[in-house]
Amino acid sequence: GAGVSQTPSNKVTEKGKYVELRCDPISGHTALYWYRQSLGQGPEFLIYFQGTGAADDSGLPNDRFFAVRPEGSVSTLKIQRTERGDSAVYLCASSHGLASSTDTQYFGPGTRLTVL
Amino acid sequence: GNSVTQMEGPVTLSEEAFLTINCTYTATGYPSLFWYVQYPGEGLQLLLKATKADDKGSNKGFEATYRKETTSFHLEKGSVQVSDSAVYFCALSEWDDYKLSFGAGTTVTVRA
Repeated sequence: GAGVSQTPSNKVTEKGKYVELRCDPISGHTALYWYRQSLGQGPEFLIYFQGTGAADDSGLPNDRFFAVRPEGSVSTLKIQRTERGDSAVYLCASSHGLASSTDTQYFGPGTRLTVL
Repeated sequence: GNSVTQMEGPVTLSEEAFLTINCTYTATGYPSLFWYVQYPGEGLQLLLKATKADDKGSNKGFEATYRKETTSFHLEKGSVQVSDSAVYFCALSEWDDYKLSFGAGTTVTVRA
């Protein structure tokens, strides 16, 4: 079956613009995660959804970042007034939703965001 | 808080050489430990995991043993191939949590 897909694969924008990044999880996975990976670093947790609700958004760096998952499947990460420091690869992952450390997360290929 | 420290790279090896990548962690409880791998042009994928002390995870010839006494989860492979060239990430999550905390990654290049 299809894995996690993310669109676009690359996004170049100008400072101050608004961007949306999309994640399509594996069918049937109730849990969805967003991570951000800066150059030379490991991924850092941003937000976790269980179904339609954001169960944990403690990793969002500030209120310019917001994510939704209105129907419990596709999720969109939204970034307002982008800054150069937002440049990174944004990764999405999904899992069956056991919400435990034994639940394997499956990652998408990521969206590379570049803010000029 | 939780943190993962892994061996800095890059690491360059010849085919059939022995590979080890060190990983140590700090956690408040009893974490599960993971190795993820990112092959060129591909997304992160789980390589192996261990959920309790003394467990050994293994896959594709790679092994790692969960050592609580040394808070380590070192990755090893006895004979690497060119196809093992990738970035390797050590990660953990607490037993009652779902968030993964990752190390910085180690780039491994295997030469024919």
